Amino acid sequence: GAVVSQHPSWVICKSGTSVKIECRSLDFQATTMFWYRQFPKQSLMLMATSNEGSKATYEQGVEKDKFLINHASLTLSTLTVTSAHPEDSSFYICSARDETETNYGYTFGSGTRLTVV
Amino acid sequence: RKEVEQDPGPFNVPEGATVAFNCTYSNSASQSFFWYRQDCRKEPKLLMSVYSSGNEDGRFTAQLNRASQYISLLIRDSKLSDSATYLCVVNVRGAQKLVFGQGTRLTINP
Repeated sequence: GAVVSQHPSWVICKSGTSVKIECRSLDFQATTMFWYRQFPKQSLMLMATSNEGSKATYEQGVEKDKFLINHASLTLSTLTVTSAHPEDSSFYICSARDETETNYGYTFGSGTRLTVV
Repeated sequence: RKEVEQDPGPFNVPEGATVAFNCTYSNSASQSFFWYRQDCRKEPKLLMSVYSSGNEDGRFTAQLNRASQYISLLIRDSKLSDSATYLCVVNVRGAQKLVFGQGTRLTINP
């Protein structure tokens, strides 16, 4: 089945620094990838839709200048949390869809736990 | 009103019991429906898609009622390993993104 690799699994950074998270589709091409954020005991909230070769589409309330998304190839999307603050501490998860799969095929990366101190 | 609503639980049931979860969605243009399972501090994993005719996969049965905009998941003969958070997920026609419910936390007790 489709595999999505996400790195790093966890990261601790100082307030004010930037953190880059990578999401790769390993055995399929993904023109679209999705970035979610999940706070403790809450559900996944879509932050943005990453589109290969074009600008990402951000959900309402998500600052595009703070959460930079780059989807430069059909297998890689990156999310950069700029000038991170403690309130950005969360579980970030990416997802991609293998459109060749008949079961609708959304696959998730293993997530990145970000802690900003 | 949330697009996808679930009872967050927690549900605590004994091993071997049958447990049912419900979910409602507000957008009548929703076209695809799923149950995902999420273990603590892990990513969600697809449990099963939900079809109008209802579908079964081993001990799991999913039902969809489009008229009432209601989805259900039934787990029979529950196992300790079924302990997880179950997420009701919907895709709206014309949109690629998935919308997640809050999730229902289930704990199976020995």
